[in-house]
Amino acid sequence: EVHLVESGGGLVQPGGSLRLSCAASGFTFSDYTMNWVRQAPGKGLEWIAYISSSGVIEYYADSMEGRFTISRDNVNNSLFLQMNSLRHEDTAVYYCARGIWDYWGQGALVTVSS
Amino acid sequence: EIVLTQSPVTLSLSPGERVTLSCRASQSVGTHLAWYQQKPGQAPRLLIYDASRRTTGIPARFSGTGSGTDFTLTISSLEPEDFAVYYCQQRSTWPLTFGGGTKVEVK
Repeated sequence: EVHLVESGGGLVQPGGSLRLSCAASGFTFSDYTMNWVRQAPGKGLEWIAYISSSGVIEYYADSMEGRFTISRDNVNNSLFLQMNSLRHEDTAVYYCARGIWDYWGQGALVTVSS
Repeated sequence: EIVLTQSPVTLSLSPGERVTLSCRASQSVGTHLAWYQQKPGQAPRLLIYDASRRTTGIPARFSGTGSGTDFTLTISSLEPEDFAVYYCQQRSTWPLTFGGGTKVEVK
């Protein structure tokens, strides 16, 4: 059974950094592209970043490029999102999603507050 | 970036009713459009991709149509578990974008 489990969320001060992880199981992780998406409290969905199956190709939402970095470890079946220079408006639940977006994790809450 | 506009924002309906949700793109996305369902406290669930292909396990009462800039998600007969928020997403052009969502609530 496919599972995606995010971790690494929490409370961080404005200007701080956080690294989210997404542990994948139940499928051949290295065969699939991956994405990060977020949802601010009470708001809609916002795509953050994409990474190809090999990790060579990355795409980002304009508002996050330069601050956020997506990466993956195909040996350990993990996806990452490094988030720097965090702002209040980055407060959201962060989801990882597989390939054609058929499987999502349960989400990790990131709260940016002083 | 491609803007997706969903309408209406909210629909108040009763079980058994037919539902038609709209998603309009600011420029053509071909058939690279997906629909998701999200219930409170849960991750979104993929219903439809490539405008009209149902994901494995999605009931046949859900159907998607459209191409170019105008798309529709239809639920032929609302079940109690279908009350949720529905989002469309375009996968045609970077950056990927989502519509603002339509909430289907109990009348």
